[in-house]
Amino acid sequence: GENVEQHPSTLSVQEGDSAVIKCTYSDSASNYFPWYKQELGKRPQLIIDIRSNVGEKKDQRIAVTLNKTAKHFSLHITETQPEDSAVYFCAARLNAGKSTFGDGTTLTVKP
Amino acid sequence: DVKVTQSSRYLVKRTGEKVFLECVQDMDHENMFWYRQDPGLGLRLIYFSYDVKMKEKGDIPEGYSVSREKKERFSLILESASTNQTSMYLCASSFGGASTDTQYFGPGTRLTVL
Repeated sequence: GENVEQHPSTLSVQEGDSAVIKCTYSDSASNYFPWYKQELGKRPQLIIDIRSNVGEKKDQRIAVTLNKTAKHFSLHITETQPEDSAVYFCAARLNAGKSTFGDGTTLTVKP
Repeated sequence: DVKVTQSSRYLVKRTGEKVFLECVQDMDHENMFWYRQDPGLGLRLIYFSYDVKMKEKGDIPEGYSVSREKKERFSLILESASTNQTSMYLCASSFGGASTDTQYFGPGTRLTVL
């Protein structure tokens, strides 16, 4: 089955700085890579995703890059704000419907 | 707006009890999932279902079973609860299909087994 590793497990940045979270996956057949954000006490929600036929996708301050050769993908958050503080999960989908999640990264943005 | 609801936010049960956690989605989604979330371990898939009466084991199915008699409802059953099943349980649903497969999560059930 698929295996997803996520780093770092915790990340602390100053407001306005950039944050980068990296994930690697094991199965080259994985074709869909979503990122979820979970604020404290709330449910995870999709913030951005990328398909295997695309190398980069951007949505305002958030971007995701995918390197299929190296089997890794990254989340980039620019101009971080305190409300970006949350746990972020990456995931990789191998079979229709079923995704494997990383262990999560706790991002803290200090004002 | 997709709505995924779970029957309880907090539940306290005793060791050996049979526990039912229910999840309902209102968007006619094909896929439904049950995860448990523990600190530092991310979201681990217990079971998922891609159609009514269809189910597949996830990564940690031991000690759990599921039921999907109707498309909108997916139940997680702990036949005999144990203390190591104390956790946050998250249900999710997704439309299904080959391209994207956004999962929509419920609010979670914090289960404590004493």
